[in-house]
Amino acid sequence: AQTVTQSQPEMSVQEAETVTLSCTYDTSESDYYLFWYKQPPSRQMILVIRQEAYKQQNATENRFSVNFQKAAKSFSLKISDSQLGDAAMYFCAYRRSDNYGQNFVFGPGTRLSVLP
Amino acid sequence: EPEVTQTPSHQVTQMGQEVILRCVPISNHLYFYWYRQILGQKVEFLVSFYNNEISEKSEIFDDQFSVERPDGSNFTLKIRSTKLEDSAMYFCASNIPRLNTYEQYFGPGTRLTVT
Repeated sequence: AQTVTQSQPEMSVQEAETVTLSCTYDTSESDYYLFWYKQPPSRQMILVIRQEAYKQQNATENRFSVNFQKAAKSFSLKISDSQLGDAAMYFCAYRRSDNYGQNFVFGPGTRLSVLP
Repeated sequence: EPEVTQTPSHQVTQMGQEVILRCVPISNHLYFYWYRQILGQKVEFLVSFYNNEISEKSEIFDDQFSVERPDGSNFTLKIRSTKLEDSAMYFCASNIPRLNTYEQYFGPGTRLTVT
């Protein structure tokens, strides 16, 4: 079974600084998808960024980018120019690609605090 | 932008009672999911549903749980006889088969409190 690990239960960053959240996963599949979801205090799960395993290029979305190392099974999220609104729980998620209905496997989450 | 909705936002029930959590997925989506998140813990998969039947379920999804899509728009999760440990946030999600976009769209969640 696939597992997702996030080794940092909590992180903090100064406003406008950069922070990196780590995620590692375990799978025997060669093709899959990885995601970062953000969960603010409202508890709504919001997609931040996704990465297809077959793509070598790291995904970016504005201030958010990933460092995807397939061989190391590592998928870290970098948040640049951190803003107060970035404070939330961040979950790394994995899903296989063999069918459209495949469920997500989530990591335990990293709570990010942004300090003014 | 269309979104997944869930009702109620908060449900309080007594142990042993039946509860039904409701979700309205995005209208053209075909795959539906329930996840739960016990307070302070990670989000866990419960069940996926496609073409009016369960396509996959986790070991959490025992005989006390059932899902239904009664009218083509709602997607419900029923817990027959609630236990204290069922207290959690329950998220509904949906997605559509679209090439290279496997993301799931989550609802805002229903907080279930069992007393």
